Amino acid sequence: AQKITQTQPGMFVQEKEAVTLDCTYDTSDPSYGLFWYKQPSSGEMIFLIYQGSYDQQNATEGRYSLNFQKARKSANLVISASQLGDSAMYFCAMREGQGDYKLSFGAGTTVTVRA
Amino acid sequence: DSGVTQTPKHLITATGQRVTLRCSPRSGDLSVYWYQQSLDQGLQFLIQYYNGEERAKGNILERFSAQQFPDLHSELNLSSLELGDSALYFCASSVRTGSRNEQFFGPGTRLTVL
Repeated sequence: AQKITQTQPGMFVQEKEAVTLDCTYDTSDPSYGLFWYKQPSSGEMIFLIYQGSYDQQNATEGRYSLNFQKARKSANLVISASQLGDSAMYFCAMREGQGDYKLSFGAGTTVTVRA
Repeated sequence: DSGVTQTPKHLITATGQRVTLRCSPRSGDLSVYWYQQSLDQGLQFLIQYYNGEERAKGNILERFSAQQFPDLHSELNLSSLELGDSALYFCASSVRTGSRNEQFFGPGTRLTVL
């Protein structure tokens, strides 16, 4: 079974607008971590934001925020005030357990920001 | 710059050949992970090493092997290469503290098998 599902293969957003990228996950482990990574066309993977399963508040990092709905098993990424440099592929990933374990990635969502 | 280095950046080789990809983790990170990114399979975990010992194995083919050396750098060896092995290979590292344990990725090695 797919552990991470990203249903939006591609999205267009106008500069300065907000965009929400969907991510749902599947795990029976009560302890897990959810991550979002950005992959620009140059190829590198850039860590954006983290949400732990026991965190009470939604994570925020600058213009990135994570809408964590535990009961629905969703961890959507919100990018506010989009910039041209936000055009990239975005991956949702999950680590099951508390330790330094592997990440399971979704298929990714391509975001294109229009001027 | 994540602090994780990978060499080479690009590698072009022929079917049947063997190649070695090298990774140096961030200073202080004991865990090294290898991932493969291909168009058809997406991002797949291959293998993890922790302080020189193999910790976890994912969808790694028997033709592939890896090791982590005492100085914590790691190498991924790919042998009897096939066209389908063409992919972007990432190394990532993390330090085992707290609950966050985010993984920092290197720039990747793009392997093309002709």
